[in-house]
Amino acid sequence: KAGVTQTPRYLIKTRGQQVTLSCSPISGHRSVSWYQQTPGQGLQFLFEYFSETQRNKGNFPGRFSGRQFSNSRSEMNVSTLELGDSALYLCASSPTGDSGGGHEQYFGPGTRLTVT
Amino acid sequence: GDSVTQMEGPVTLSEEAFLTINCTYTATGYPSLFWYVQYPGEGLQLLLKATKADDKGSNKGFEATYRKETTSFHLEKGSVQVSDSAVYFCALRSLGTSGTYKYIFGTGTRLKVLA
Repeated sequence: KAGVTQTPRYLIKTRGQQVTLSCSPISGHRSVSWYQQTPGQGLQFLFEYFSETQRNKGNFPGRFSGRQFSNSRSEMNVSTLELGDSALYLCASSPTGDSGGGHEQYFGPGTRLTVT
Repeated sequence: GDSVTQMEGPVTLSEEAFLTINCTYTATGYPSLFWYVQYPGEGLQLLLKATKADDKGSNKGFEATYRKETTSFHLEKGSVQVSDSAVYFCALRSLGTSGTYKYIFGTGTRLKVLA
């Protein structure tokens, strides 16, 4: 089975611009989560989508948004970029929803965003 | 709210030394617990997991036991190798107040193993 893929892997943007990142989950996985990873803050949860619906949301400003398509692929968008948005953005997929158990997340390699 | 606390790094060891990375958690109910590892330039990979009290997760020589009485899930390895140098994340999955499951990660512990 192919793993989680993220595109692009690297991105350089200027303050004020907007950016869209893409994530393709493992086939059959319906849950996709997004995280921001920075050296100072560690791994911070952005949001989770399940069956095209946002199910959980972290404490990020409204400039950060996402969506999920019917094939479970997900995109996240950041508008009006700030220098502090420079980070590694990780996408993770997991098989299902709330059936309990130890459903681990499978992570993609991340998109390294640099804002100048 | 739920949280995960793990020891700060970096942890620097010589090859073949014993490794312990401490992890404690706060959660209502009965969370599942995980250790993930991140090698340079890569995403996180699941290392091991435990879903209930007294479960022991193990993989590639690493072990961790789910201790409900001490709310801990410490990672151990008897003999580390240079190739184990990475950042290790402790995480939990629990039922949130919204009625859906959520994942919470610790801040990560960097391990450096010297030859």
